[in-house]
Amino acid sequence: ELKVEQNPLFLSMQEGKNYTIYCNYSTTSDRLYWYRQDPGKSLESLFVLLSNGAVKQEGRLMASLDTKARLSTLHITAAVHDLSATYFCAVGNTGKLIFGQGTTLQVKP
Amino acid sequence: NAGVTQTPKFRILKIGQSMTLQCTQDMNHNYMYWYRQDPGMGLKLIYYSVGAGITDKGEVPNGYNVSRSTTEDFPLRLELAAPSQTSVYFCASSHTGPANYGYTFGSGTRLTVV
Repeated sequence: ELKVEQNPLFLSMQEGKNYTIYCNYSTTSDRLYWYRQDPGKSLESLFVLLSNGAVKQEGRLMASLDTKARLSTLHITAAVHDLSATYFCAVGNTGKLIFGQGTTLQVKP
Repeated sequence: NAGVTQTPKFRILKIGQSMTLQCTQDMNHNYMYWYRQDPGMGLKLIYYSVGAGITDKGEVPNGYNVSRSTTEDFPLRLELAAPSQTSVYFCASSHTGPANYGYTFGSGTRLTVV
C-alpha cells in the first residue's frame, strides 16, 4: 500500500527566510504533484513532476523529485506572507493520486 | 468552461439521513474521483471511476456508494449518515489518470452530520 508522508506538518517562518518541505513515499512512482490549498478553498495545482531529477520553479517555489530516494522537496525562497497556505504532495498510483497529510505554512511579517 | 461543479456547497444532515453529493464536469474527462478531507488532514480517496459504468473503491469507501452512468456525472451517495462522515468532500477529474496535469478539483461540499 502506498504511503505518502510530509514533514514538517506545520511551519511558521519569518518573511525573507528560506525553508524546505519534504515529501516521502513508500513505493515506486515517477509521478509526483504539489498542490496549494488556501483556508476554506479547493486545491490548486502547483507542480507536476514526471521523471527522476525533474525540477520545476514558479516564483519563490521550487519543486524537485528524486525517484530513487522516493523523495520530493518543495523549497521556499525568501518567503512572503502571500505564500501562507497548506501545501500537499500527491503521488500517482495506478490511475489515482494518494495525498500526504499536508504542510501548513505560516509566514509572519 | 465550468470545470468541475459540486453541489451543494454546504449541508447539515441528521444521523441516519441519506443524501447525494453531486459532481459534474464538462471537460470530457474519463477519470473522476471523490476525496474527503477531515480538519487538519490530507485527502483520502473514497471512490474513483475510470469511465462510464466503471467504479472502484479507494482508501475509505465504507458508508458511501457511487455510480457513473455518464462521462459527465459522478454522484456520491451517503446512506445512514454518521457523525464520522462530517468532512469536506472534493470531487476531481482528469483526462486519463493524473498523467501530465494532475487533477482538476471542484470547490468542495462541506457536510456536517449532527
